Amino acid sequence: AQSVTQLGSHVSVSEGALVLLRCNYSSSVPPYLFWYVQYPNQGLQLLLKYTSAATLVKGINGFEAEFKKSETSFHLTKPSAHMSDAAEYFCAVSSNTGGFKTIFGAGTRLFVKA
Amino acid sequence: DVKVTQSSRYLVKRTGEKVFLECVQDMDHENMFWYRQDPGLGLRLIYFSYDVKMKEKGDIPEGYSVSREKKERFSLILESASTNQTSMYLCATNQGYTGELFFGEGSRLTVL
Repeated sequence: AQSVTQLGSHVSVSEGALVLLRCNYSSSVPPYLFWYVQYPNQGLQLLLKYTSAATLVKGINGFEAEFKKSETSFHLTKPSAHMSDAAEYFCAVSSNTGGFKTIFGAGTRLFVKA
Repeated sequence: DVKVTQSSRYLVKRTGEKVFLECVQDMDHENMFWYRQDPGLGLRLIYFSYDVKMKEKGDIPEGYSVSREKKERFSLILESASTNQTSMYLCATNQGYTGELFFGEGSRLTVL
């Protein structure tokens, strides 16, 4: 079975500071990993995805994530936070044997202080 | 761009009422999903469908049913709504096993 754990339900950073959102996964087969963002009163949209190509994945809005198999991690980073990054972020996993299912973490709400 | 449209953004229903949530997508995707989103729990899969008239239970199917009569439309049905079904419901679609999910804007249901 697959699972996702996001460390920290809330993260607060100052504008211009580094953003680091943590995600660990469990999967018995090679995983496909995703980060989604949800702005207030909206659905989720894809930030980036890992599909077994390069381990460092670049996404939209300056975000990137690194797949580390040895640590079973897929942490999301951004060098400099902007006020518009305030949102909820979800890490997710799927696989070729997952039967079309994508499993989500509990989410991390990012606050950005001026 | 893929567009996933959910019929109602906000609904208020009474306990015991039958509730229909509808989702329509315009990209000819095979797979459609209904998730439920609750604070601190993330998204939990209720049901999904990988073809017309096909459906599979997700992780929390109890109290729900679905219908997929046409490829572009996937409906979630609450036969007899209960207060513990007050939640945000998200419809999503994708193509293939590992494709990204495209989400609707969500339907926030309150059951009184």
